[in-house]
Amino acid sequence: GQQLNQSPQSMFIQEGEDVSMNCTSSSIFNTWLWYKQDPGEGPVLLIALYKAGELTSNGRLTAQFGITRKDSFLNISASIPSDVGIYFCAGFTSSGTYKYIFGTGTRLKVLA
Amino acid sequence: ETGVTQTPRHLVMGMTNKKSLKCEQHLGHNAMYWYKQSAKKPLELMFVYNFKEQTENNSVPSRFSPECPNSSHLFLHLHTLQPEDSALYLCASSPTGISYEQYFGPGTRLTVT
Repeated sequence: GQQLNQSPQSMFIQEGEDVSMNCTSSSIFNTWLWYKQDPGEGPVLLIALYKAGELTSNGRLTAQFGITRKDSFLNISASIPSDVGIYFCAGFTSSGTYKYIFGTGTRLKVLA
Repeated sequence: ETGVTQTPRHLVMGMTNKKSLKCEQHLGHNAMYWYKQSAKKPLELMFVYNFKEQTENNSVPSRFSPECPNSSHLFLHLHTLQPEDSALYLCASSPTGISYEQYFGPGTRLTVT
């Protein structure tokens, strides 16, 4: 079945460092999303991207919708301990068939 | 607090038991979803309800049976489950029909023994 490849699977970083993760797909999506999931909670939507090439920020988070519409990346600047969690990308399209596919997640651990 | 609640938060059941998971959204949304989250696997969409009508069933085994009596409540009835059904079951809702903009509940951690 269709899947999104997300990398890295996990990462340890020092507080204050910048973080980058990406997501690639074998097919095109109309919308790319990035979610964060804290332990014991459901995913929370961080950023939504609607157009190829779009660059969007939400505080210290910046995400881009790839030109080919088959990839996206998320950057976190100046990481802090509360950034710990699992970050998921997701691709969505409602043109014809409804598709909402999630990546396998990037587990982020921040060392103080 | 996302406005989507799920009960119970944890459930342990035997393979011959029958149980139900409950989801309630207090956001006035029109679409509700069930997802399965297994370790090291992507979230899997199970069922979608739009204005109380089921619109998606992603080849889910019949031992999982959803019910949506109104736009605010969603149930997942479970019977004769298998150990591989152990997972976190997440409910979500979206405001204006089927949408990428989904608000998730905290999930029910299900263990099948």
